[in-house]
Amino acid sequence: EPEVTQTPSHQVTQMGQEVILRCVPISNHLYFYWYRQILGQKVEFLVSFYNNEISEKSEIFDDQFSVERPDGSNFTLKIRSTKLEDSAMYFCASPGGHGANVLTFGAGSRLTVL
Amino acid sequence: AQKITQTQPGMFVQEKEAVTLDCTYDTSDPSYGLFWYKQPSSGEMIFLIYQGSYDQQNATEGRYSLNFQKARKSANLVISASQLGDSAMYFCAMREGRETGANNLFFGTGTRLTVIP
Repeated sequence: EPEVTQTPSHQVTQMGQEVILRCVPISNHLYFYWYRQILGQKVEFLVSFYNNEISEKSEIFDDQFSVERPDGSNFTLKIRSTKLEDSAMYFCASPGGHGANVLTFGAGSRLTVL
Repeated sequence: AQKITQTQPGMFVQEKEAVTLDCTYDTSDPSYGLFWYKQPSSGEMIFLIYQGSYDQQNATEGRYSLNFQKARKSANLVISASQLGDSAMYFCAMREGRETGANNLFFGTGTRLTVIP
């Protein structure tokens, strides 16, 4: 079964530091998503990426966030200057794995900002 | 207005019994998809079941079935023969539009299910 792979699984950082979260989505799909889940809350959409460009972003995805595709298979979510409220689980997701109609999520990267 | 509403913050079920987790949705788009994901304490999001708005029959996946009531805009998850490993957070989600690839998911607030031995 195809998987979405995320690294690191857990990162602890100091407020104001830059963080890069990485993801390898299921191959052969042009769409790619980042979601965020603050502890104890629901999963929230951050940004979608299509064919090397951002196709949609939420209000949460402000100027401190950026998403890139540094090579053919990897995607990154960068948080430029972390704040305490950025502490959350960050999920990447892509179609595939359970059919084209279903988003398959990675295991998540837990970010803790101190 | 919330696109996905899960009114049960927590549910308890006896092992081997069936349980229904409620989900209602709100959309004016005639094409949409409904999903259930399971989130165990380890944190990952595990896909359980999908129902398309045009699907005539309720979706089933093993012990999971989706009770799709289109007129009521409800998409309840039924878990039969509960197991201790079913204890987790369960999220209902919706995609508006025909293609999953092109449209993001809206999630509910989740229901925490606890299976009692």
